[in-house]
Amino acid sequence: AQSVTQPDIHITVSEGASLELRCNYSYGATPYLFWYVQSPGQGLQLLLKYFSGDTLVQGIKGFEAEFKRSQSSFNLRKPSVHWSDAAEYFCAVALGDYKLSFGAGTTVTVRA
Amino acid sequence: DAGVIQSPRHEVTEMGQEVTLRCKPISGHDYLFWYRQTMMRGLELLIYFNNNVPIDDSGMPEDRFSAKMPNASFSTLKIQPSEPRDSAVYFCASSSRGRDTQYFGPGTRLTVL
Repeated sequence: AQSVTQPDIHITVSEGASLELRCNYSYGATPYLFWYVQSPGQGLQLLLKYFSGDTLVQGIKGFEAEFKRSQSSFNLRKPSVHWSDAAEYFCAVALGDYKLSFGAGTTVTVRA
Repeated sequence: DAGVIQSPRHEVTEMGQEVTLRCKPISGHDYLFWYRQTMMRGLELLIYFNNNVPIDDSGMPEDRFSAKMPNASFSTLKIQPSEPRDSAVYFCASSSRGRDTQYFGPGTRLTVL
């Protein structure tokens, strides 16, 4: 069965600093990959997705992610975080059966 | 579009009571998904529908849970009888194609006392 691993449960970053959230998946084929963000008390909002093509994808709110097949990774990055980026971030994988499998999530705290 | 609509946003009930959660997907979306989010288990897919037909309900925890989609614009998730361990946030999501972006509703926070 496929699995999605987000190694970091919690990350604290200073406002204006760069942010990188890690995501690894285990599956033989290339899945569809997603990053979602969840603000407290809210639903999940899609940040970006990768299906095929250019391995560096741009998303909303200044986020980008890079797919690395050799590392089975899909890490999320932002060059300069804002206080409003404090939230929980989920990496997700969709395979042929249309089901999304989510990682455990990474909570990001932004300090002033 | 208003996005995926869920009701109620919060539900507090007592053990043994029936609970019905409601979802209106985005118009034109053929796929509808029900998820449960808990601290212990994270986000779990419970069931999904394609063109109003349940395709995979392997994530439904037990027979106390049931889901229906009587038409393209409405789905329900019912728990009968409810138990304290059912306390969670339940999300509904919809998409226009199976492996494409799923759009999530705001969720229903269920508390079973």
